[in-house]
Parts: sequence; structure tokens; C-alpha cells
Amino acid sequence: SAVISQKPSRDICQRGTSLTIQCQVDSQVTMMFWYRQQPGQSLTLIATANQGSEATYESGFVIDKFPISRPNLTFSTLTVSNMSPEDSSIYLCSARDRLYGYTFGSGTRLTVV
Amino acid sequence: AQSVTQPDIHITVSEGASLELRCNYSYGATPYLFWYVQSPGQGLQLLLKYFSGDTLVQGIKGFEAEFKRSQSSFNLRKPSVHWSDAAEYFCAVGADSGGGADGLTFGKGTHLIIQP
Repeated sequence: SAVISQKPSRDICQRGTSLTIQCQVDSQVTMMFWYRQQPGQSLTLIATANQGSEATYESGFVIDKFPISRPNLTFSTLTVSNMSPEDSSIYLCSARDRLYGYTFGSGTRLTVV
Repeated sequence: AQSVTQPDIHITVSEGASLELRCNYSYGATPYLFWYVQSPGQGLQLLLKYFSGDTLVQGIKGFEAEFKRSQSSFNLRKPSVHWSDAAEYFCAVGADSGGGADGLTFGKGTHLIIQP
């Protein structure tokens, strides 16, 4: 299955700043996804990122707050903008592999102070 | 819209006993179904998946799950649990839409506790 390298693994950020999370896949994938896991909660889909098109955001998530780039078939970034303590979560990227389903990065644990 | 229900927030099982974690889904067509496990501070690991075909699916670590369309269920089972199975278990549903693959919808998770 595809292997995803996600970084940073964790960060502590000041409120009002932005953090960009990167995901690198070891093979070409059409679909990539970004999820948020709030403390003690399940995963919620933020957006779907296809190469060559704008990301599609789920209800409750907007591009100004979570801009996403997908410059090629192996790479994507998610930026968490103008952060507040409520943004403290684990952010995970995922790639759709036709044979093996959905593979996940190891996550970015974000704490906003 | 698709949804996933994991009715058990916590389950406690004695080591060596059998395990069944429940998962019910709501989706109009045949979904893709997944079970993931997450240990504290760790990422998600895929236990098994169902796309089509045989409704009894074998996964890693001795887990299996059975897809029952009539009950909209995809319960996870293990005949004998080990202390290392203590973790959070997530059931998820996905599908292929007209624009490509959909992202997954996750259940709220079941926290598995293993008693010695």
C-alpha cells in the first residue's frame, strides 16, 4: 500500500499564526484527503484534494481557514490559518489507493496556545 | 449522506476472551467498509476492509469482520484478545462517487479495555 510521510509530527503554535502541514506519498495517487481529530473525538473530513483542481470542502470548513494545495500526484499541504486554541487537534492526511483502500499519514498534533 | 454508528463507546474484555465490536452504517448504495485501530499517540492502522465479494473479511492481527447488507452492519470480531489489543477502534464507510472516491465517514469509535 501507499506510504505517506507527514510533517511536522507535532507543533505548538501561538494564536493568530498559521501552520502548514505537508504530506508526501511514495506513489502517485489521484485522491488525497485531510481530516481533523479533536481531542478524544473521531475523525472528521475537512476536504478532498485532487491534483489540478481546487479542493472540495466539507460543511463547516472553509478555504480561508484551511487552504489546501495539491501541486502534483504525490504531494499536498494543509494550512491552518489564524489559529485559535479551538484548532488544537490532530490533523491527518490520507490517500486513496485502489487496491488497499485509504492509507493515513501518522498525523500532526497541533497545540495552539 | 452516509453515517456510521458504533453503539459501544467503551468495551471491557478479559484477556483471552472473544470480542465483537459493533458497527452499523447508513448509505444508499453498497459502501466500502473499513475498520481501523488507533493506539494512544499513534496513527491509524487498517485492520481490514470490505469492497465487494465474500462478506466475511479476514484482517491483520487475527481480526475478522462480516458484512451483513440486510442489517447494514459490519461487526469486527476476534476469537481471543491479547493485552496489546487495547486501543481505540474506528469503523468507517466510503464510496466512489461520480467525481471519484469519497472521503471516509468515521464512527465515534469504541475504546477497548483488556482486563488481565
